[in-house]
Amino acid sequence: LAKTTQPISMDSYEGQEVNITCSHNNIATNDYITWYQQFPSQGPRFIIQGYKTKVTNEVASLFIPADRKSSTLSLPRVSLSDTAVYYCLVGDTGGFKTIFGAGTRLFVKA
Amino acid sequence: NAGVMQNPRHLVRRRGQEARLRCSPMKGHSHVYWYRQLPEEGLKFMVYLQKENIIDESGMPKERFSAEFPKEGPSILRIQQVVRGDSAAYFCASSELPPAEGDTDTQYFGPGTRLTVL
Repeated sequence: LAKTTQPISMDSYEGQEVNITCSHNNIATNDYITWYQQFPSQGPRFIIQGYKTKVTNEVASLFIPADRKSSTLSLPRVSLSDTAVYYCLVGDTGGFKTIFGAGTRLFVKA
Repeated sequence: NAGVMQNPRHLVRRRGQEARLRCSPMKGHSHVYWYRQLPEEGLKFMVYLQKENIIDESGMPKERFSAEFPKEGPSILRIQQVVRGDSAAYFCASSELPPAEGDTDTQYFGPGTRLTVL
């Protein structure tokens, strides 16, 4: 299983863009990169998934360099409600067994 | 369309008692996954079930833990003779399709059951 490393916590202010980088040096050829968001007392919620280059949806963008050894989740113009834990996962075959690490705790301040 | 439902949301048990956690998947979903989350840690996979079948239980402790997903009714995670170390949040997820290689975005998580063992 590919191990991921992310910052433990980050602070930001409302309206700013937040970039959370995840390192996954031993990512396998067939692994996808997925990001989840988890609010206190709730289950994780899927944000975005990608394999290479850039993926964008209505919530976030995911940047993946050519070597795929890292990825960056970009949240545009965060609000207080974006305060949560963000998990970077690198999927093995049958992604349900992918290990959720400790994640990055994002604090958005007014 | 109701999401994944779990009950109870909070469960308190004394050491040695049994804990039963229930999960009702989203309508139309026949694949259920259970995860455990210790305080300040990420989720860890426990077991994957389809209706009436355990597909992968590689994350389940060898003793005291069992899971089922009967033809009718919710999936049940059962912990016998609970110990303090079992205190955690237990999350259930469901999916419509079976897990595919590298695909993790088809899982929908429930709100979790927080088990406290006194």
